[in-house]
Amino acid sequence: QKEVEQDPGPLSVPEGAIVSLNCTYSNSAFQYFMWYRQYSRKGPELLMYTYSSGNKEDGRFTAQVDKSSKYISLFIRDSQPSDSATYLCAMSAGYSGYALNFGKGTSLLVTP
Amino acid sequence: DADVTQTPRNRITKTGKRIMLECSQTKGHDRMYWYRQDPGLGLRLIYYSFDVKDINKGEISDGYSVSRQAQAKFSLSLESAIPNQTALYFCATSDASGGAYNEQFFGPGTRLTVL
Repeated sequence: QKEVEQDPGPLSVPEGAIVSLNCTYSNSAFQYFMWYRQYSRKGPELLMYTYSSGNKEDGRFTAQVDKSSKYISLFIRDSQPSDSATYLCAMSAGYSGYALNFGKGTSLLVTP
Repeated sequence: DADVTQTPRNRITKTGKRIMLECSQTKGHDRMYWYRQDPGLGLRLIYYSFDVKDINKGEISDGYSVSRQAQAKFSLSLESAIPNQTALYFCATSDASGGAYNEQFFGPGTRLTVL
């Protein structure tokens, strides 16, 4: 079993919908939680970053971490066609210099 | 200009050929990484380097080798390419001063097809 599980979708929603993307993980040492966004034919880029448990909001995006359930979420409000991309969760135990543990990514399509 | 560049962007080769993928960065970061991305499998780490003298194997290093020629350059080689190495390859960098946060910056990717 991979340390990070993510439903690959695809997920298709109409413009303006609220989108919920989720990941579960098994390693209780993970403390740093990130969401990367990857557009077609591009490299991933960091969208949101959260340390430990709690919520973080940035514009239309909200990241939530529930360490007790080993579950993280990304919510997108008022979704736009430009949000159509693959969203990858990533996690780290915080060991200096080590690479991230990525989920498989969820493909999102927002239709006009 | 892009901060992390990869060459070539696309490559088709035959089984048994030696292939080198190159990565260059202008971000001044010490840490560099090579990942491969496959449909349904996500991003998997091949090798990573903390600095020029430090290279480490990742999750799936078999069949690959790397060279850190300078702080800004990190190359990935497939000594004898095989079809199941067909994938999208990404180089990434991060700044050691960022500590555990370790945001990684990705290049545009190299699409490799092994026939």
